[in-house]
Amino acid sequence: DQQVKQNSPSLSVQEGRISILNCDYTNSMFDYFLWYKKYPAEGPTFLISISSIKDKNEDGRFTVFLNKSAKHLSLHIVPSQPGDSAVYFCAASGDNFNKFYFGSGTKLNVKP
Amino acid sequence: NAGVMQNPRHLVRRRGQEARLRCSPMKGHSHVYWYRQLPEEGLKFMVYLQKENIIDESGMPKERFSAEFPKEGPSILRIQQVVRGDSAAYFCASSLNRGQETQYFGPGTRLLVL
Repeated sequence: DQQVKQNSPSLSVQEGRISILNCDYTNSMFDYFLWYKKYPAEGPTFLISISSIKDKNEDGRFTVFLNKSAKHLSLHIVPSQPGDSAVYFCAASGDNFNKFYFGSGTKLNVKP
Repeated sequence: NAGVMQNPRHLVRRRGQEARLRCSPMKGHSHVYWYRQLPEEGLKFMVYLQKENIIDESGMPKERFSAEFPKEGPSILRIQQVVRGDSAAYFCASSLNRGQETQYFGPGTRLLVL
């Protein structure tokens, strides 16, 4: 039962351009959403989060947008840098934060 | 401030043996989550523990898997009588509190069952 889905397994972007990574979810009870970045042979690293009471959260080059009616969130990276090349996971949790559901990841390649 | 530590980083077991994976959370963190990542898949929640308590184990297989987080020492994920399908990367994450707190992940333990 895949409650969080990332339908694009990979994305290739030119350095300096915008990277847009998408994520869909099915459970309307999800209350908190996060994005993680993962390099090979390492654990995921937290990037940015958003609560369901907001529709946008920004941190430097990273912005997360939440569309609750569409059950969709996206991560924008502007401008993209080669060091951003990694696998990006979105995750979601209900308001008890007992468990977090992860998408299958999108592999971003930023070309110099 | 040391991050989340996991050991071993790599573990090879033969079918039927036991695997013990250890996770030392960040200093001061009393909440630990365990996840499993199969090849080409995302992370799947297994269990959420606080010190001496299992809060949510709904993602853990009913048989052969157990987890603990004692008052002293690391959290342990134990897999008895391993099978080839247990081969995966196992990550733990710790947080200071429950709630909208950042989870910090360890580097993972890669288990290979021969």
